[in-house]
Amino acid sequence: GAGVSQTPSNKVTEKGKYVELRCDPISGHTALYWYRQSLGQGPEFLIYFQGTGAADDSGLPNDRFFAVRPEGSVSTLKIQRTERGDSAVYLCASSLGAKNIQYFGAGTRLSVL
Amino acid sequence: QQQVKQSPQSLIVQKGGISIINCAYENTAFDYFPWYQQFPGKGPALLIAIRPDVSEKKEGRFTISFNKSAKQFSLHIMDSQPGDSATYFCAASRGGTSYGKLTFGQGTILTVHP
Repeated sequence: GAGVSQTPSNKVTEKGKYVELRCDPISGHTALYWYRQSLGQGPEFLIYFQGTGAADDSGLPNDRFFAVRPEGSVSTLKIQRTERGDSAVYLCASSLGAKNIQYFGAGTRLSVL
Repeated sequence: QQQVKQSPQSLIVQKGGISIINCAYENTAFDYFPWYQQFPGKGPALLIAIRPDVSEKKEGRFTISFNKSAKQFSLHIMDSQPGDSATYFCAASRGGTSYGKLTFGQGTILTVHP
């Protein structure tokens, strides 16, 4: 497809488990962003990649959250020791560069039981 | 600290009416102000955006009005249609290395009755 793809679309896990969320950006987009959207709220910035490196990770809430983008394309958001408060929709966006329009995927809905 | 405040939380208008959503920001370093539209189960999609060097931008039925001195901006949807029913988010970002980092408002749920 031509858009940002996120998998899985839904993820249910138990408290304390480890999860990985995947984002496939639009081909050729060098910038990639992760946001978290809680119910009834606007998206909240987590981390921004320019190429392979994290240019800004100031939004990661704590050290249980980590994201990688090893080849400058696909990115994985990793959450260790999940907590019920981590339940939210995790959105990925990509853009041609930092100054360009961000295109969002449909998100992964994470439910921590 | 909520840097972008959006109102109202919800809005109901009749078909053909004007929908107005307002946002206020605190950080004077913000220099890019987009509006996003989000349908249930979908990611946000850019509607229209403005930079502070202009006071108004219009694209079709959508207009952004920007007041730099008041640190406020608003979205006007003319001739509102039932298909416009969605959640709308204002956002803001700043230049430099944080250029892509969008700060979003809390959202407005718009319902347009036929």
